[in-house]
Amino acid sequence: GEDVEQSLFLSVREGDSSVINCTYTDSSSTYLYWYKQEPGAGLQLLTYIFSNMDMKQDQRLTVLLNKKDKHLSLRIADTQTGDSAIYFCAESLRTGGFKTIFGAGTRLFVKA
Amino acid sequence: DVKVTQSSRYLVKRTGEKVFLECVQDMDHENMFWYRQDPGLGLRLIYFSYDVKMKEKGDIPEGYSVSREKKERFSLILESASTNQTSMYLCASKTWTGPNLPEAFFGQGTRLTVV
Repeated sequence: GEDVEQSLFLSVREGDSSVINCTYTDSSSTYLYWYKQEPGAGLQLLTYIFSNMDMKQDQRLTVLLNKKDKHLSLRIADTQTGDSAIYFCAESLRTGGFKTIFGAGTRLFVKA
Repeated sequence: DVKVTQSSRYLVKRTGEKVFLECVQDMDHENMFWYRQDPGLGLRLIYFSYDVKMKEKGDIPEGYSVSREKKERFSLILESASTNQTSMYLCASKTWTGPNLPEAFFGQGTRLTVV
């Protein structure tokens, strides 16, 4: 079945790198996403990777995709207090009406 | 600027009431979704629609129904609200046509409390 799993909490010091990991089960994924949710707000797309790519870099963000292990990670370099939020891993499927399946979200705490 | 608007940020309803949550998008997207978000469970799909008057059950449709009479509007209906439906409800829309990235755009959420 379709499932996306990620750890629930991560705590880092300001200035350090954060790495948030995610595993998914459906091999028909086309796009994989990282969404960010700040307190009291909806989700906003942070970055994405197409399923035929291994890596994508976007300023402080690096996304790594290991398709063989169905593992996705998000690295945030030089983490700032403003990065404190919930980060959701998600995949878009080719089947099932183009559903997007979300993980439970990882709450990132950044300590000053 | 793309926009998904949910009619209420906060709602308090009584057990047994019929509740309507409204969502409107201005991007001419074919696909619209309703999720509920609960701590530790993330987003769970309730219903989605890929066209006007079309609907599909998601993972947790029990106790809910939906209506899509117009392309821009997708309504979630709680037929008889219960306390276990207290949650944050998120509406989203996306397109899968042309070269556009199929990004889901979200509303700001409706926090529903059933007492």
